[in-house]
Amino acid sequence: GAVVSQHPSWVICKSGTSVKIECRSLDFQATTMFWYRQFPKQSLMLMATSNEGSKATYEQGVEKDKFLINHASLTLSTLTVTSAHPEDSSFYICSASTRVGQETQYFGPGTRLLVL
Amino acid sequence: DAKTTQPPSMDCAEGRAANLPCNHSTISGNEYVYWYRQIHSQGPQYIIHGLKNNETNEMASLIITEDRKSSTLILPHATLRDTAVYYCIVLNSGYSTLTFGKGTMLLVSP
Repeated sequence: GAVVSQHPSWVICKSGTSVKIECRSLDFQATTMFWYRQFPKQSLMLMATSNEGSKATYEQGVEKDKFLINHASLTLSTLTVTSAHPEDSSFYICSASTRVGQETQYFGPGTRLLVL
Repeated sequence: DAKTTQPPSMDCAEGRAANLPCNHSTISGNEYVYWYRQIHSQGPQYIIHGLKNNETNEMASLIITEDRKSSTLILPHATLRDTAVYYCIVLNSGYSTLTFGKGTMLLVSP
């Protein structure tokens, strides 16, 4: 149980284009989903938290207009990197928890983004 | 959330028990101890969590000292597939976000 998937697993795009990453909870309803970013040899950094049906809460320093998050249903959240640049190349990971206040997060396998 | 301290790396022979320590001396009464691990190029994996009692599941055991200022994650029979970075995280019992530190890189060798 508690399986989270991400799609795509990796993507290469040209600078200036937008990329959408999907995060799905496969066997449970995720009231809250989280998006993280991880640069090489660094730890995960939380980008934003989203609750189903409401606007995402972004961490300090994360541009909400550049990283668009939509959590339209209890099983799907999407992260769109708009006008991607090479410095946005990173490993993007989502996680989901089963209810508000439930701290156990279950993580997806990650999406590796390379912007040329 | 309380800060945690972990050794940067540890080695373990395959088949032996791996004991990963974590110090959390500023933990408060309503904060849980969570353990996750991240195998290279994968998303983190939840292992176990506890408040003050020792916990065991199919993956590991968690031993929390009586004063709750430290804990140990035990992998009873480590395999090569257990090679990963292990993160000890302290969380408030209410809604909270995970803050990943540098963790412990566990290398299991044949």
